[in-house]
Amino acid sequence: AQKVTQAQTEISVVEKEDVTLDCVYETRDTTYYLFWYKQPPSGELVFLIRRNSFDEQNEISGRYSWNFQKSTSSFNFTITASQVVDSAVYFCALMGGGSNYKLTFGKGTLLTVNP
Amino acid sequence: AAGVIQSPRHLIKEKRETATLKCYPIPRHDTVYWYQQGPGQDPQFLISFYEKMQSDKGSIPDRFSAQQFSDYHSELNMSSLELGDSALYFCASSLEGQISYEQYFGPGTRLTVT
Repeated sequence: AQKVTQAQTEISVVEKEDVTLDCVYETRDTTYYLFWYKQPPSGELVFLIRRNSFDEQNEISGRYSWNFQKSTSSFNFTITASQVVDSAVYFCALMGGGSNYKLTFGKGTLLTVNP
Repeated sequence: AAGVIQSPRHLIKEKRETATLKCYPIPRHDTVYWYQQGPGQDPQFLISFYEKMQSDKGSIPDRFSAQQFSDYHSELNMSSLELGDSALYFCASSLEGQISYEQYFGPGTRLTVT
């Protein structure tokens, strides 16, 4: 069985603060894929990043960065210098490496960035 | 670039009625996934199709059925609607075998059952 845990239900920060969203996953697959999605109040799911299990290289994209550590089964997401527009629910998701590519989502973290 | 299209975007039905949600995948995509997201919940996988055949099934109620047609669009049919079926229904599409394994999500259909 696959499981994704986002222990932080809600986080509130002030604009320009850095914030890290935690994600811990469980899977028996040796090959798997991890994702982060953003869901703003409008409801759509916006793809942010995909990471393969065999690629532990961290990634930075503008103000966003991701830290993937297989040793701790974690895939954390950091927003640097947060902005009000970053306010959304963020979901971490896991896809197994078998023939079925369904996504298993965490419960999500509601990030509120206050001006 | 073309995205996943879902229709309708909003739907209001009464209990015990029937609803049909439609999904038009990105051109050339051969796989469609359906997810249900209840209020304040994470999206839950319902069912998927690859090349018009059901490829995987999640926690989809027996009252729901789905299929993928020859043009690769998919429909989710929901009968005997219950209040608990009120949710945001997402369709996603992908191309089997693509390296990125990325699922492209549509904007969702918000179903309200009264």
